[in-house]
Amino acid sequence: KAGVTQTPRYLIKTRGQQVTLSCSPISGHRSVSWYQQTPGQGLQFLFEYFSETQRNKGNFPGRFSGRQFSNSRSEMNVSTLELGDSALYLCASSPGTSAAAQYFGPGTRLTVT
Amino acid sequence: AQSVTQLDSQVPVFEEAPVELRCNYSSSVSVYLFWYVQYPNQGLQLLLKYLSGSTLVKGINGFEAEFNKSQTSFHLRKPSVHISDTAEYFCAVSEARGYSTLTFGKGTMLLVSP
Repeated sequence: KAGVTQTPRYLIKTRGQQVTLSCSPISGHRSVSWYQQTPGQGLQFLFEYFSETQRNKGNFPGRFSGRQFSNSRSEMNVSTLELGDSALYLCASSPGTSAAAQYFGPGTRLTVT
Repeated sequence: AQSVTQLDSQVPVFEEAPVELRCNYSSSVSVYLFWYVQYPNQGLQLLLKYLSGSTLVKGINGFEAEFNKSQTSFHLRKPSVHISDTAEYFCAVSEARGYSTLTFGKGTMLLVSP
């Protein structure tokens, strides 16, 4: 089975712009979770989608949003970018059931200048 | 809510030596526990997981971890490390009920030198 893919791998944006990141989960997986990884805060949970519905949400401002499509692919959007949004954004795929492990993609490195 | 503490931010070790990476967690409910590894410029790879049953869990690449409920710990061990084990290791926890998200520790950088 192909792993989790994320596009693009690298992105440079200017403060105030918006950005959309994409994630394709492992075939058959219905859950997609998004995490932000920074040197200072570590790995922080953004949100999780299961069968096109947001099932869990972390403690991030409303500028961070996401969605999931019927084929389980997911996108996350960040509007009005701030310098502090520079991070590695990781997508994780899972069957979505209790005790199921999450499988991570390579991440998208976002740099805001 | 759960929390995870990885007691060492960095662990230097010589090749072929044994290593232990420490992880303690806090939770008011039963939990599942995971160890992930992250190589430079890559995502996280699952090393092993504890769901229930035997407290000694074996994972990939010769790693194993032991769940200790009384000490709320889940330490990762390898009897003999290789240069290629140099990476950052993350301990994570989720609630053992319904579907719960992962809460990660801050990570431990394992530095293996010849």
